[in-house]
Amino acid sequence: SAVISQKPSRDICQRGTSLTIQCQVDSQVTMMFWYRQQPGQSLTLIATANQGSEATYESGFVIDKFPISRPNLTFSTLTVSNMSPEDSSIYLCSVTTGGTEAFFGQGTRLTVV
Amino acid sequence: DAKTTQPPSMDCAEGRAANLPCNHSTISGNEYVYWYRQIHSQGPQYIIHGLKNNETNEMASLIITEDRKSSTLILPHATLRDTAVYYCIVRVSGNAGKSTFGDGTTLTVKP
Repeated sequence: SAVISQKPSRDICQRGTSLTIQCQVDSQVTMMFWYRQQPGQSLTLIATANQGSEATYESGFVIDKFPISRPNLTFSTLTVSNMSPEDSSIYLCSVTTGGTEAFFGQGTRLTVV
Repeated sequence: DAKTTQPPSMDCAEGRAANLPCNHSTISGNEYVYWYRQIHSQGPQYIIHGLKNNETNEMASLIITEDRKSSTLILPHATLRDTAVYYCIVRVSGNAGKSTFGDGTTLTVKP
């Protein structure tokens, strides 16, 4: 298994600003992913965070809006840029360790005002 | 990933078995059935997965029909702490992180 720590756990931000969310894992992991969960909805995959290279984004998500870094095998960041109220969501980090399971962090609850 | 269909909500009495169905009629031969749950304000938690045989672990049992077009997650003795949204996901085994989450089933366990 893997223990995932996300920071911050929640934040309230002004529109037009940016927020960087950190994901720290207690062990080296194979893959890291970022998901978004809008209010009352299910999870949507934003991107795969690739170690040492640019992230791979899913349809509807772009690097300018959601830049992602992954400098090593235990850490990744997701930035939500130029925020608007529509970006209010829970953002979740997920990892796999080479097995068949995926593990999720507790999420970052973002409110944009 | 194959599309799944789940009832939006279910109730269960505390101490009774909770049986959560999932339809996945377009499942491919190399796709597994995974179940996760999300308790309010927490990240999703892995429960169980299977290919075609029934599976059991300390949390639940997974029953997959012979044609693999549907499955049932069974919580043998539901407790109040099992109240959560349960997601049935179908995907290939090696693609653990890239899951397509549907709307899930909100299970409410009542005293």
